[in-house]
Amino acid sequence: AQTVTQSQPEMSVQEAETVTLSCTYDTSESNYYLFWYKQPPSRQMILVIRQEAYKQQNATENRFSVNFQKAAKSFSLKISDSQLGDTAMYFCASFTSGTYKYIFGTGTRLKVLA
Amino acid sequence: DTAVSQTPKYLVTQMGNDKSIKCEQNLGHDTMYWYKQDSKKFLKIMFSYNNKELIINETVPNRFSPKSPDKAHLNLHINSLELGDSAVYFCASSHSTANYGYTFGSGTRLTVV
Repeated sequence: AQTVTQSQPEMSVQEAETVTLSCTYDTSESNYYLFWYKQPPSRQMILVIRQEAYKQQNATENRFSVNFQKAAKSFSLKISDSQLGDTAMYFCASFTSGTYKYIFGTGTRLKVLA
Repeated sequence: DTAVSQTPKYLVTQMGNDKSIKCEQNLGHDTMYWYKQDSKKFLKIMFSYNNKELIINETVPNRFSPKSPDKAHLNLHINSLELGDSAVYFCASSHSTANYGYTFGSGTRLTVV
């Protein structure tokens, strides 16, 4: 069975600092994809970053980067130069080809402090 | 120009009523989904349609019935609403392979009183 675990319910970071959100997953499949989604107070779910499991190189999108440790089944999100607009719930998700569905973690509520 | 639009955004209704939530996407995606987000923010898939065909039907009470008249639309009808149905319902769409991520609608907050 596919599972996604986010062990940090809440985190806070000072503006301009760096923060890392943790995620571990479990799957028996070899072909899968991992994602981080952001849900700000507006409620809209926004794709932040995507990682293909067969790629060793860590994905980066501007201030957002991941640390993908395949053997450890770990997929953490690093946010550099945190901004007030980064305040949101962050969900880690996994997708296995052929299943059509994503499995989401329980989310980490991140607050960026001025 | 909204990619995935859901209506209504808010829905307050009494127990026992029947209600529908509509979803439309203009991205040319062929797969659409309904997710339920509970009060603890947990997201759980309910249904998925690929080219109008039901491909995922999770353990959901049969009071919930999805309908996809075409691949750009996926509606959710709920009969005999219960207090426990109160949640945010998200529609999403993707290409068939879905490995590039979902595009979500803005959600419908359903409150049953």
